[in-house]
Amino acid sequence: EAGVTQFPSHSVIEKGQTVTLRCDPISGHDNLYWYRRVMGKEIKFLLHFVKESKQDESGMPNNRFLAERTGGTYSTLKVQPAELEDSGVYFCASSQVKGASQETQYFGPGTRLLVL
Amino acid sequence: RKEVEQDPGPFNVPEGATVAFNCTYSNSASQSFFWYRQDCRKEPKLLMSVYSSGNEDGRFTAQLNRASQYISLLIRDSKLSDSATYLCVVTNFNKFYFGSGTKLNVKP
Repeated sequence: EAGVTQFPSHSVIEKGQTVTLRCDPISGHDNLYWYRRVMGKEIKFLLHFVKESKQDESGMPNNRFLAERTGGTYSTLKVQPAELEDSGVYFCASSQVKGASQETQYFGPGTRLLVL
Repeated sequence: RKEVEQDPGPFNVPEGATVAFNCTYSNSASQSFFWYRQDCRKEPKLLMSVYSSGNEDGRFTAQLNRASQYISLLIRDSKLSDSATYLCVVTNFNKFYFGSGTKLNVKP
């Protein structure tokens, strides 16, 4: 079974440009999450989709970040315009809650974003 | 105050040693608890879930103390391949809160 995939693996852009990150969750996983790790800090939650609906976007830093999950399959995270402090590793994770069992999130390899 | 606190280490131990990590969490209503492992420049991977009764998976033992709000991970007979960063994760309504990780270096 294919795992969570993310594209691109790396992105280097200039301040003020736009970048779009993509995440393909594990097939059949309704839950999709975006996380970010900035240099020297812990991984932090950005938002959570259940199918195509945003369940929780309380972690989104500001309105320069826009996430979508049209059709409830893959998701995109767009940063426009990018700022220096947006640099970091953006992880996507997916999960499929089964009954009352603890949810396990499976992470993608991440996109390393560098804003110059 | 951070949701999850961990000692960043590094813990430098010889092969075969036993090593223990702890982490504390601030929200007493937290529901689920996990240890994830992250290798350098890789994604976090689930190591084990943590239950109140304690659970063991081979050389790894995890414990949860809800009263004191801490979670522990014990690694016995350390292997070189155990070298990684260990992330403590606490969840609240499907939102994961990560610790900053504890780095383990197992040396020959």
